[in-house]
Amino acid sequence: AQSVTQLGSHVSVSEGALVLLRCNYSSSVPPYLFWYVQYPNQGLQLLLKYTTGATLVKGINGFEAEFKKSETSFHLTKPSAHMSDAAEYFCAVSDQGTGRRALTFGSGTRLQVQP
Amino acid sequence: DARVTQTPRHKVTEMGQEVTMRCQPILGHNTVFWYRQTMMQGLELLAYFRNRAPLDDSGMPKDRFSAEMPDATLATLKIQPSEPRDSAVYFCASGLGEQGAGTQYFGPGTRLLVL
Repeated sequence: AQSVTQLGSHVSVSEGALVLLRCNYSSSVPPYLFWYVQYPNQGLQLLLKYTTGATLVKGINGFEAEFKKSETSFHLTKPSAHMSDAAEYFCAVSDQGTGRRALTFGSGTRLQVQP
Repeated sequence: DARVTQTPRHKVTEMGQEVTMRCQPILGHNTVFWYRQTMMQGLELLAYFRNRAPLDDSGMPKDRFSAEMPDATLATLKIQPSEPRDSAVYFCASGLGEQGAGTQYFGPGTRLLVL
């Protein structure tokens, strides 16, 4: 069974500082990897995903993530935080081995951006 | 701008009452998912459909929950009878059947409170 671990349920950064949100997965076969963002009282929106090819993936709003198979990680970064980045971020995986499309989510990390 | 729509957005009901939530997937999408979000359990899959056929409903309490797709433009999730522990945000998502790699597009959710 797959699982996703997000270290840090809350992360606080200053505006302009580096954002680093951590995600590790557990799976016998490297899964497809996703980062979603959820703003208050809204649904989830895809930031970026890794399926195949280049391991550094660029997404919307200046975010990027790097798939590291040896570390079973898919950490999300942004060089300079903006106030509008304050939201909850979810790392998720789907099973590449079976083709099962449902997502398994991590517990989420709430990002606060201080002025 | 194609979006997943969900109705109602908010629902307050009393224990024992039937609750029906509706979802209109993005036109052309052949896979529909129901997820539930709670503080304690996070985001968890309830059921999903491909081409209107249920593929996985293992996350759903079978005695009180049921999910259907009467046609390609409508998915429903019913709870009968409802219980206070069902209070949560219920998300519908849709996508194209790309063997796990495809993006899921989430609706805004139905916030359910069972008193």
